[in-house]
Amino acid sequence: LAKTTQPISMDSYEGQEVNITCSHNNIATNDYITWYQQFPSQGPRFIIQGYKTKVTNEVASLFIPADRKSSTLSLPRVSLSDTAVYYCLVGLLSGGYNKLIFGAGTRLAVHP
Amino acid sequence: DAGVTQSPTHLIKTRGQQVTLRCSPKSGHDTVSWYQQALGQGPQFIFQYYEEEERQRGNFPDRFSGHQFPNYSSELNVNALLLGDSALYLCASSLARQGGNNEQFFGPGTRLTVL
Repeated sequence: LAKTTQPISMDSYEGQEVNITCSHNNIATNDYITWYQQFPSQGPRFIIQGYKTKVTNEVASLFIPADRKSSTLSLPRVSLSDTAVYYCLVGLLSGGYNKLIFGAGTRLAVHP
Repeated sequence: DAGVTQSPTHLIKTRGQQVTLRCSPKSGHDTVSWYQQALGQGPQFIFQYYEEEERQRGNFPDRFSGHQFPNYSSELNVNALLLGDSALYLCASSLARQGGNNEQFFGPGTRLTVL
């Protein structure tokens, strides 16, 4: 499973767009990139997953360059409730063998 | 749909004791994974159960064991508790299938404190 590197913490203000970049230099051909969000004393929550190019859902966008050695989670117009820890995970998630390897994550603090 | 449920929510034990944590997966899910999350760290994979068997295991000692029942619910057992076992224990369920986006749904966790 590919190791990921992401910033330890980030600060933002309400209404701003936040971009969190994750490096995964040794990503394998069959690996997907997945982001989870975790609030204090709660389990992580799936945000978005992608393989290449751009993926967008109702809460975020995921940008993956052609070499797939990094990815960027984009949160549009953050609010105070987006204050959480964001984890970037890389791995083969097919066939049910979906062991998730979490790093330390990025602690995002959104200020008024 | 109640999602993933775990019990109890909090637990206090003393060193050397044994503990059992319980998890009910999201409706329709057949795979249960357990994670340990120490304060300030990301969750660490303990093991995964599918078809009532341990399918994968992380780097945890044999003191950590589990079980999956025919209804897909699962238990995590920890024997001879150590102070370092104090953590949030998370259960996640998913559906075993081919292809991508095998999203795991996490429960709220059980906060275990070992004194």
